[in-house]
Amino acid sequence: DQQVKQNSPSLSVQEGRISILNCDYTNSMFDYFLWYKKYPAEGPTFLISISSIKDKNEDGRFTVFLNKSAKHLSLHIVPSQPGDSAVYFCAASAGSSNTGKLIFGQGTTLQVKP
Amino acid sequence: DTAVSQTPKYLVTQMGNDKSIKCEQNLGHDTMYWYKQDSKKFLKIMFSYNNKELIINETVPNRFSPKSPDKAHLNLHINSLELGDSAVYFCASSPNGRQAGYTFGSGTRLTVV
Repeated sequence: DQQVKQNSPSLSVQEGRISILNCDYTNSMFDYFLWYKKYPAEGPTFLISISSIKDKNEDGRFTVFLNKSAKHLSLHIVPSQPGDSAVYFCAASAGSSNTGKLIFGQGTTLQVKP
Repeated sequence: DTAVSQTPKYLVTQMGNDKSIKCEQNLGHDTMYWYKQDSKKFLKIMFSYNNKELIINETVPNRFSPKSPDKAHLNLHINSLELGDSAVYFCASSPNGRQAGYTFGSGTRLTVV
């Protein structure tokens, strides 16, 4: 029972173009969402987050959009750079738990071609 | 100066052995976690400690036993290793409050042969 799903295992885009990574969730109790980036042989690193009271959060080239009715969020990277090539994990948490527990998706591998 | 460090980075061992993975964080965070990344690449929580107190204990075989001697350390001991235990194990820490997100270690790749 995967509560957070990233249905695209991989994505390839040209340098300078937009990368859009998608994430779906099933648990309506989730109210906080995060994206992590992971390079090979390293741990995931925090990228950007969004609370359910918002529908958009922007940080430089990275923007996360949240559609609560569709239980869907997406990460936009504009413009994409070769250094963005990595695995991107979507994660969610429920305020009721208050333990900091995150539920992760299985990741999407992004390749940005020069 | 690594914020969350795990040792060893790689561990190859035979079925039936007992092994430990160590984790230390120098961020002053109150909460530490163990996550397992399985062959399908999902990161799944195993345990969490807050100030040396166990707060999350997911459905994990009791062959796995976490130990937190202080809030900067969270170790994972695994008894009677099985082939299915092969995975990458990540330690993470966070300050109180989930909005802060985690800082992960670089992972320990465990291979049981």
